Amino acid sequence: SQQGEEDPQALSIQEGENATMNCSYKTSINNLQWYRQNSGRGLVHLILIRSNEREKHSGRLRVTLDTSKKSSSLLITASRAADTASYFCATPPFIQGAQKLVFGQGTRLTINP
Amino acid sequence: EAQVTQNPRYLITVTGKKLTVTCSQNMNHEYMSWYRQDPGLGLRQIYYSMNVEVTDKGDVPEGYKVSRKEKRNFPLILESPSPNQTSLYFCASSDRVVWEQYFGPGTRLTVT
Repeated sequence: SQQGEEDPQALSIQEGENATMNCSYKTSINNLQWYRQNSGRGLVHLILIRSNEREKHSGRLRVTLDTSKKSSSLLITASRAADTASYFCATPPFIQGAQKLVFGQGTRLTINP
Repeated sequence: EAQVTQNPRYLITVTGKKLTVTCSQNMNHEYMSWYRQDPGLGLRQIYYSMNVEVTDKGDVPEGYKVSRKEKRNFPLILESPSPNQTSLYFCASSDRVVWEQYFGPGTRLTVT
């Protein structure tokens, strides 16, 4: 099963509203990353939060991390039509030399004008 | 400019005709990987490579081969493509410290 699992699978909101999506993971992590994918295109790295951080901001993005609950959330404030995309969380290997960066299934976000 | 390039971007082929999708990165990354993306199934890893001459299977390696003879290149080979390999393929690379992935633009493959 996937290490990272996003929730909800799909989210539709009005332009200007805030969008929140969540990610749960199973094992210990060094950091957790969020990516965006516009339809049919490659994923683009948005933000990284380290395991010793609880919150991080980047422009309209706010990421929180709760290692006790093994969960993270991504908040996009004042959403715009251009934010319509799929959003994925990913957790890299904890141990150097371990093999895989694990992606969740993604949250499909639709911003309605 | 830091980038991962893939070629071709679009490919339509017939069952059984060998093909190679190239992937190249200019960031001196040690880690490279291939994913396929299908509706409802998310990103599934096919193969990955931790360094030159070091490759290993991901979640869905059947029907695929890879090689890593040079650090910058990581081609994906389909020896005998079948229709169930019709998919969107992504190559990605990263260092092995932060693991921030850089993705290629994708290759949309159709096997008839």
